[in-house]
Amino acid sequence: EVKLQQSGDELVRPGASVKMSCKASGYTFTDYAMHWVKQSPGQGLEWIGTIIPLIDTTSYNQKFKGKATLTADKSSNTAYMELSRLTSEDSAVYYCARRDYGYNYFDYWGQGVMVTVSS
Amino acid sequence: DVVLTQTPVSLSVTLGDQASISCRSSQSLEYSDGYTYLEWYLQKPGQSPQLLIYGVSNRFSGVPDRFIGSGSGTDFTLKISRVEPEDLGVYYCFQATHDPLTFGSGTKLEIK
Repeated sequence: EVKLQQSGDELVRPGASVKMSCKASGYTFTDYAMHWVKQSPGQGLEWIGTIIPLIDTTSYNQKFKGKATLTADKSSNTAYMELSRLTSEDSAVYYCARRDYGYNYFDYWGQGVMVTVSS
Repeated sequence: DVVLTQTPVSLSVTLGDQASISCRSSQSLEYSDGYTYLEWYLQKPGQSPQLLIYGVSNRFSGVPDRFIGSGSGTDFTLKISRVEPEDLGVYYCFQATHDPLTFGSGTKLEIK
């Protein structure tokens, strides 16, 4: 069974950083790209970027360059996203989602990590 | 960035009736390889989004045939025939033809 298990919710101070994880199981980690999506409170969905674990290549939405850093650890089948210099605008739920290269769709999503930026 | 405009913003439908959601793109979504990277996702209350349709009109595994995607170029439609209680939630169109990838603003389906 394919599963993307994300780390727990975070409460962080303004100006700090947070690193969240997305542990993949039930499939070959390097066969799929991993994408990250932001959902601000009561809002829609924004694409942050993607990492291809096989070749450690990343691509970012220009809006999130400098804010998000995507990495992957093939030994533990885990993708990570670090958000830096947090402000209230970063308070949101963040999802990881697997994307199939061949069919091109997000077929599995993590449960989401709620990040709250507050002093 | 490609803007996907969804209409209506919200939709209240009687059980058993049809619902229709429009997604209009600011640019053509047909890629140079001839494929159109347009998908539809449903986010049920309190859940992560789930895939309904990919490549404009292909239903994902397990998606009922009540869900029908159509369109081309810049105009796309998701039709839900015979709406059922489990169809409620927010529907998003999504494009992966142009960088950055973008989602539509969402359409909330409520049951009357």
